Amino acid sequence: ILNVEQSPQSLHVQEGDSTNFTCSFPSSNFYALHWYRWETAKSPEALFVMTLNGDEKKKGRISATLNTKEGYSYLYIKGSQPEDSATYLCALNTGNQFYFGTGTSLTVIP
Amino acid sequence: NAGVTQTPKFRVLKTGQSMTLLCAQDMNHEYMYWYRQDPGMGLRLIHYSVGEGTTAKGEVPDGYNVSRLKKQNFLLGLESAAPSQTSVYFCASSSGSGSEQYFGPGTRLTVT
Repeated sequence: ILNVEQSPQSLHVQEGDSTNFTCSFPSSNFYALHWYRWETAKSPEALFVMTLNGDEKKKGRISATLNTKEGYSYLYIKGSQPEDSATYLCALNTGNQFYFGTGTSLTVIP
Repeated sequence: NAGVTQTPKFRVLKTGQSMTLLCAQDMNHEYMYWYRQDPGMGLRLIHYSVGEGTTAKGEVPDGYNVSRLKKQNFLLGLESAAPSQTSVYFCASSSGSGSEQYFGPGTRLTVT
């Protein structure tokens, strides 16, 4: 069992604020790091799959970075909007196995 | 494209009863997964399959069995349900081991 930790557990920000979350994972057995967005009453949806140390990926106002040597990834949201309210999950992929963190719950206040 | 579907959406079982959860995907994905989601915990992998006819154990396989007789379907079985198996079960599929996963809508199971 590998421990994937996400912080903070929850976050409230004002509309327009930028924010970021952290995902920490054991750097041994690393194959890939996944980020998912999970809205209430829906299923998790993939944001990014990151494999290389130093990787940076961007999708609109959301971006992510990866440091496999120290075992962490950051997810950034620029200019948060109410529709960004969701739980953001990261998952360590060690090949065929996946280990999910408990998520960061983001609420964007209009 | 329906994506990933799960049947049923809800179920209540009594301790000791058995049931099968069905996951179906229409994306021709090789990999399929079963997870459980419990309060305060991340999604935990129960079993997975890397192709038709193959299955493997995940992090929490005890009390569950799976089968992948057809590429598009992945079945999760509970032979003798226990209250500890009360959970929300999610199925997912992907095209490869490092590829993004596509999740189904979930099945809420209560064991009394």
